[in-house]
Amino acid sequence: GAVVSQHPSRVICKSGTSVKIECRSLDFQATTMFWYRQFPKQSLMLMATSNEGSKATYEQGVEKDKFLINHASLTLSTLTVTSAHPEDSSFYICSARALGVGNTIYFGEGSWLTVV
Amino acid sequence: RKEVEQDPGPFNVPEGATVAFNCTYSNSASQSFFWYRQDCRKEPKLLMSVYSSGNEDGRFTAQLNRASQYISLLIRDSKLSDSATYLCVVNRRTDKLIFGTGTRLQVFP
Repeated sequence: GAVVSQHPSRVICKSGTSVKIECRSLDFQATTMFWYRQFPKQSLMLMATSNEGSKATYEQGVEKDKFLINHASLTLSTLTVTSAHPEDSSFYICSARALGVGNTIYFGEGSWLTVV
Repeated sequence: RKEVEQDPGPFNVPEGATVAFNCTYSNSASQSFFWYRQDCRKEPKLLMSVYSSGNEDGRFTAQLNRASQYISLLIRDSKLSDSATYLCVVNRRTDKLIFGTGTRLQVFP
């Protein structure tokens, strides 16, 4: 079946550095992918909608210059957390809808980011 | 006010019990409704879609009341493996999913 893969699953970085998280649709094409963030004991919050070949659409309150999103192909979207701070430590999850396969939305396995 | 509201729980129930979760949503333009299950430190997984006519999948029954903007999930004959957080999810015309904070269920022997 359709699978969405995220990498890395866990990453620890130093404060001030940048971290890139990849989201791949493995056996389907996705013109749109979504990036969510989840803090402990809180709900998933949509950060942005990643559109293949165009700029991402960010939700209110999400800094586009801090969370860079690139959707260069129909199977890959990347989220780069720039100048990471400890408060950016969170669970980041992507999702994608498989074209032509109903409205099923598939989630990646998530990426745990810890900024020290 | 949050767009999707759920009682965070936890609901602690014995095996075999029946448990019900409720959820309310504020945006009347919401078009699709789902229950997702999330295990600790894992991604959410679709449990079932929710329809106005109500739908059942094995031990799970979901109901939607559009007039009251209310969604429910009933789990019968609870199993230990049902222990998880259950997320109420809605979306509007786009593929954006709006998640509730989730209701935590713990089934004990």
